[in-house]
Amino acid sequence: DIQMTQSPSSVSASVGDRVTITCRASQGISSWLAWYQQKPGKAPKLLIYAASSLQSGVPSRFSGSGSGTDFTLTISSLQPEDFATYYCQQANSFPQTFGGGTKVEIK
Amino acid sequence: EVQLVESGGGLVQPGRSLRLSCAASGFTFDDYAMHWVRQAPGKGLEWVSGISWNSGSIGYADSVKGRFTISRDNAKNSLYLQMNSLRAEDTALYYCAKSLKGSWWENWFDPWGQGTLVTVSS
Repeated sequence: DIQMTQSPSSVSASVGDRVTITCRASQGISSWLAWYQQKPGKAPKLLIYAASSLQSGVPSRFSGSGSGTDFTLTISSLQPEDFATYYCQQANSFPQTFGGGTKVEIK
Repeated sequence: EVQLVESGGGLVQPGRSLRLSCAASGFTFDDYAMHWVRQAPGKGLEWVSGISWNSGSIGYADSVKGRFTISRDNAKNSLYLQMNSLRAEDTALYYCAKSLKGSWWENWFDPWGQGTLVTVSS
């Protein structure tokens, strides 16, 4: 199975900050990567797919980049509603696997 | 509006069985692959199983292979997960998720249902 490693596991940031989360795959996955946001008590929500495609309805402050083994999710200006846990997911091969999550907390 | 509503969770003893259901609405169900993803309490996400639009392709995580069976009824717009020989480590919130693009190979999950909780304990 492909292992997905996210860093950091948590980050403290203020409203307006630029936040970057990284995800590394244990082997190359081309652009077969998605990012999800999960708020407490809620289901995950798709933000980015195919490494850099913004899902419909997702604010443009979210962006994704990378290919191969190294990927990045960037929130350009953190908003109060962005405090949540973020997960990456590879869809290159079965079984699809997720990273361990990055919790974005209020500083 | 796309809606996925899971049901069938509950408290069950180790070794017993449970069947989860997911009722879909707001889209053409038989155009899309569907999946189950679980989340143990306080933990991350784990893909459990997926099924193509016509049930021709099916996949399972190694952790559930041989114990869980996924199926769908396109006439009823419903997805199912039959869980046998349940273990304590199967305790989790089970989400039903639609494949964004429909394809069996482009497995982006969107949207997700609200989940149904399965607790395996004696």
